[in-house]
Amino acid sequence: QIQLVQSGVEVKKPGASVKVSCKASGYTFKFYGFSWVRQAPGQGLEWMGWISTSSADTNFAQSLQGRVTMTADTATSTVYMELRRLKSDDTAVYYCVRDREGSSDYWGQGTLVTVSS
Amino acid sequence: EIVLTQSPATLSLSPGERATVSCRASQSVNNYLAWYQQKPGQAPRLVIYDVSNRAAGIPARFSGSKSGTDFTLTISSLEPEDFAIYYCQQRSNWPPAYTFGQGTKLEIK
Repeated sequence: QIQLVQSGVEVKKPGASVKVSCKASGYTFKFYGFSWVRQAPGQGLEWMGWISTSSADTNFAQSLQGRVTMTADTATSTVYMELRRLKSDDTAVYYCVRDREGSSDYWGQGTLVTVSS
Repeated sequence: EIVLTQSPATLSLSPGERATVSCRASQSVNNYLAWYQQKPGQAPRLVIYDVSNRAAGIPARFSGSKSGTDFTLTISSLEPEDFAIYYCQQRSNWPPAYTFGQGTKLEIK
């Protein structure tokens, strides 16, 4: 069965960086792109960016340009999201999601990232 | 940038009633419009994709429609497990960029 398994909880100080991983299984990795979506406590969903697993092309939300990087390792079927210069309002649950051409059909379990001094 | 505005923010209904959730786009969009259901402590779940197609395992009581820039999620007869938050989402053609509505909480009356 298709699974997206994300790395565990992170606690970071303001100004630090965080890198979250998402390992996919149960399908051909390079056939689908990925997005990352985050959700601050008690808030709605915010799309962060997208990566093609076949070409490594990326597209990021304007609000995160310059602070976010997304990479894909086809050898291990894993995608990564790195967010730099963390601020307190980056505290959120971060989800990797498989892109099925216009929607997101599989979601990781979420990774809680807490930014606190 | 396209803005998706959902209404109402909260919908209070009883099991067996019909639920209608709206999502209005700020400008003309393609048919990459999806709906997600999220329950407390869980990741969102795809319910409807491409305006009106039910995702795998979604019951037939869920349906989606479009009229111009207005999109609607309808649940024909609410079951207890349907009470959740629903989000609409739209994707641009290329490169992919997604926008979410602010969410509609469907609560038990």
